[in-house]
Amino acid sequence: EPEVTQTPSHQVTQMGQEVILRCVPISNHLYFYWYRQILGQKVEFLVSFYNNEISEKSEIFDDQFSVERPDGSNFTLKIRSTKLEDSAMYFCASSEARLVGTEAFFGQGTRLTVV
Amino acid sequence: RKEVEQDPGPFNVPEGATVAFNCTYSNSASQSFFWYRQDCRKEPKLLMSVYSSGNEDGRFTAQLNRASQYISLLIRDSKLSDSATYLCVVKGAAGNKLTFGGGTRVLVKP
Repeated sequence: EPEVTQTPSHQVTQMGQEVILRCVPISNHLYFYWYRQILGQKVEFLVSFYNNEISEKSEIFDDQFSVERPDGSNFTLKIRSTKLEDSAMYFCASSEARLVGTEAFFGQGTRLTVV
Repeated sequence: RKEVEQDPGPFNVPEGATVAFNCTYSNSASQSFFWYRQDCRKEPKLLMSVYSSGNEDGRFTAQLNRASQYISLLIRDSKLSDSATYLCVVKGAAGNKLTFGGGTRVLVKP
């Protein structure tokens, strides 16, 4: 069964450092997303990406964040200068289409710890 | 008002019993509705989509009430493996982002 894969599974970084979280979406999917979940809180939308550009982003996704699809398979989230409050589980997701009812499939997540 | 609101629980359920819980959403223009399941520190996994006419998948039944803006999930004959957090998820008409509720925790006990 095709799946979304994310690397690394856990990343520890010092405050102020840049991190890049990597994702390989399901191969025939066209829409890609990043969500995050702070421990004990709900899953929050960060950004959606389609046709090599951001299609929607939340207020969380400020200038410290960027996304890229550097090649035909990877989808990355970069946090330029990490803060303690960026510590969270980051989930990548992809979906086949934007149609009503189309489900999104989630990767297993990257646990980011900023110290 | 929160966009998607759920009773956090936990719902302590004897094995074999039936449990039901709701979720309310604030945006009347929402178009798609889902129940996802999340195990501790794992990714959300789709349990079922929710259709206007209501739908059933094995022991799970989902209902949508657009007039009152709520979605329900009923689990029959609960198994120990049903212990998880159930996430109510809503997609709007304009974009394709998913909005998650805080989750309802279900603990099935022998």
